[in-house]
Amino acid sequence: QKEVEQNSGPLSVPEGAIASLNCTYSDRGSQSFFWYRQYSGKSPELIMSIYSNGDKEDGRFTAQLNKASQYVSLLIRDSQPSDSATYLCAVTEAGGSYIPTFGRGTSLIVHP
Amino acid sequence: SAVISQKPSRDICQRGTSLTIQCQVDSQVTMMFWYRQQPGQSLTLIATANQGSEATYESGFVIDKFPISRPNLTFSTLTVSNMSPEDSSIYLCSVETIHSPYEQYFGPGTRLTVT
Repeated sequence: QKEVEQNSGPLSVPEGAIASLNCTYSDRGSQSFFWYRQYSGKSPELIMSIYSNGDKEDGRFTAQLNKASQYVSLLIRDSQPSDSATYLCAVTEAGGSYIPTFGRGTSLIVHP
Repeated sequence: SAVISQKPSRDICQRGTSLTIQCQVDSQVTMMFWYRQQPGQSLTLIATANQGSEATYESGFVIDKFPISRPNLTFSTLTVSNMSPEDSSIYLCSVETIHSPYEQYFGPGTRLTVT
């Protein structure tokens, strides 16, 4: 059974710091990796996707993928209180269904 | 990305009744899905809504309890039948587009409370 593991947190960081969110996955055949942000009472919103090893940067967000170690991480630079949310990691296997497996999410709190 | 709407946004229902949730997308999409998210939990996939044919259900979910329709490429419904308090949850529609396979875009959700 495919598993995606995340620390539930909460991860608490001060405003302006770098928040580091981690995710590990069990299926070595996984090829597509996603980070979703979910504010309390709202639906998940896709913020990053990454498909190859290395880093992918988008504004204050950087996704890092290491397929050999089977982990993907999300770095948020210059964290703001508005970044406080639950971050869901999702992984899709290669050539299989289009349906991702979601982790349980990490709660991030950015305090002023 | 696609713009997705869901109706109703919330409802309070009595046990034993049924509720139909609608999901409308502003453009044609390849895949449509229905998820459930219980408080403090992650997303649980109920089924994939297939256009013009029966939905594909995940383990633990059956058509009699969660009938799904998808008459065209932009619309789907999920019915929660014979409800019990355990069905209280947020129900989410999501889609994938031909331009961004594997990336899912979620509707705003329907918050269901069963009393």
